[in-house]
Amino acid sequence: AQKVTQAQTEISVVEKEDVTLDCVYETRDTTYYLFWYKQPPSGELVFLIRRNSFDEQNEISGRYSWNFQKSTSSFNFTITASQVVDSAVYFCALSEAEGKSTFGDGTTLTVKP
Amino acid sequence: GAVVSQHPSWVICKSGTSVKIECRSLDFQATTMFWYRQFPKQSLMLMATSNEGSKATYEQGVEKDKFLINHASLTLSTLTVTSAHPEDSSFYICSAGSGQGAQNEQFFGPGTRLTVL
Repeated sequence: AQKVTQAQTEISVVEKEDVTLDCVYETRDTTYYLFWYKQPPSGELVFLIRRNSFDEQNEISGRYSWNFQKSTSSFNFTITASQVVDSAVYFCALSEAEGKSTFGDGTTLTVKP
Repeated sequence: GAVVSQHPSWVICKSGTSVKIECRSLDFQATTMFWYRQFPKQSLMLMATSNEGSKATYEQGVEKDKFLINHASLTLSTLTVTSAHPEDSSFYICSAGSGQGAQNEQFFGPGTRLTVL
């Protein structure tokens, strides 16, 4: 069975601070995909990144960066110089090849001005 | 990327009535779609897998007679909440894949917020 653990339920930072959201996953599949989504108060899921299990290259997109460590089954997400608009619930998800996704419980990030 | 739409975006209904939610893949065909439910301040939980031309596969604990799924075409899946009750109030989100196997990238719809009075 697949499992995604986001140990941090809530994180509060002050604007301009860097923040890392942790994600640890479990799967028996050799082919799988990892995702991060942002869910603002409006509820819509905003896609941030998709990574397949064969690509361990870290990625940077503006203030966002992701660290995929297959050895520790982790896919952590860092926001650099956080902004108030980054306040949202962030979900890490694991998808098997057929597309069925398992979501973590989410981390609520609050960025204070 | 590919676009998945849902209709309606929100709906309020009386207890005992049925509500139909549509999930459409706008620019690609999807043989499989997934329906998720999210209660307030909780995570998304998979309800069922919708298969085009065949019966849906439901996750454990999801009543198939209450949540009717119809995947009549490669671009449309519908979820009907029958005899809705206040405890069915939730955010329903669908996803659709644009490929198969390793290329099956999932795209999520914007969600439908259901409130049952």
